[in-house]
Formats: sequence, structure tokens, C-alpha cells
Amino acid sequence: EVQLEESGGQWVQPGRSLRLSCAASGFAFDDFAIHWVRHVTGKGLQWVSSLNYNGDFTAYEDSVKGRFTISRDNARNLVFLQMNSLRPEDSGLYFCAKGTGVVLESSADSWGQGTQVTVS
Amino acid sequence: DIQMTQSPASLSAEIGDRVTITCRASHDIQTSLAWYQYKPGNVPKLLIFSASSLEYGVPSRFSGSGSGTEFSLTITSLQPEDAATYYCQRYKRPPLTFGEGTKVQIK
Repeated sequence: EVQLEESGGQWVQPGRSLRLSCAASGFAFDDFAIHWVRHVTGKGLQWVSSLNYNGDFTAYEDSVKGRFTISRDNARNLVFLQMNSLRPEDSGLYFCAKGTGVVLESSADSWGQGTQVTVS
Repeated sequence: DIQMTQSPASLSAEIGDRVTITCRASHDIQTSLAWYQYKPGNVPKLLIFSASSLEYGVPSRFSGSGSGTEFSLTITSLQPEDAATYYCQRYKRPPLTFGEGTKVQIK
């Protein structure tokens, strides 16, 4: 069974940093892209960042470029989202999700339960 | 600016009704489009990928169509458990933008 578990979300003040982690199991982790998506109450689902199967290719939503960094450790089945210079508009429930292929240009077929980030 | 525009923003329908949600892409994305169902307190669920392919385990009353810039999600016979918000997402190339969502309510 595919499982994804996010951690690291918490309340922080604007300008501070957080690192989110996503622990994956139940599938060939190094064969799939991983996505970070957030849900913001009143605004819906927002794509944040993605990386391909080996981390060579990454992509970011414009508002987080230069502030967030996505990475993966295929030896430990982990994905990270380093979030710097946090803003109130970064608040939301952050999900990691498994891509449907090796490339980051893919849909997401399995999702974690999410970790809440609050910036205020 | 790459946008995905969904309509309507919300709808209310009766059990057994046919419901259609549309999604318009600002650029040609061929068939690189997915549909998700999201209920608060749950996790997003992939319904459709590649514009018209039904994800494994999703009821056959859900279907997707379209290509290029115009897409639609249809529920042929609305069920109580279909009350949710539905999102389209492009994944042709970054940004992998979501639509604004369509909230489906049961009358």
C-alpha cells in the first residue's frame, strides 16, 4: 500500500523558515516524481513545487521561487521542502503527493494527510 | 500568465442528475489534464488523468473529455457521496496550475 506522511508543519512568524518532510513507503520511490500541493481555505488547491524521480529537475510556483527548495533522498525515501522567508500567504495545509511517472509533468495519484503551516 | 478557469464555481443538483464541470486552459495543453475530488478533512483524490482516463477504482459515473484548451468532467448520475469540490489541473509543463474549483452540493 502506498503511504505518504508529511511532517514539519507548525506556526511560525513571517520571515522565518520551516522544513517539511515527506516519508514514502509502499512503492518504488526512486521511479516516481513527487509533488507538494497546499490547500488554502477559501482559495482551494495550489500547486507549490515538484521534482522528478532523481531530483535533477525541479519546478516551483512563481510566488515561492527563490524562497522554497524541493529535494529528495532516494536512499531514505524522503522528500523535503525547505521554506525560507515565509509569508502569511504561505499558510495552508501542505500535501505531498506521488506523481504518476518519472517526470514532474504528471498527475498525482496518492496523497499524504497533510501538515499544517501557519505564518502569522 | 498560465491560467486554468473552471465553471461554474458552484452548483446544486439532485441525486441522479447529470452534472458537467468545465475547465478552460489559457494555452494548449493537449491532454495533460487531471481532475481531482476534494472533501474537507480528507485528501484529494485523483479521478481522471490524461483528460479522459479513469483512475483505477473510481466509479464509472465519472468521465472526462476534451483536449487542447477545453475540458469537461461529467458525473452521469449524482450520488450523495459526490458532494465535494472538484479541481482540474494542467501538467503539460510547469506551472502545474489547478483551477479555482467547483463546489458540488446536493439539493
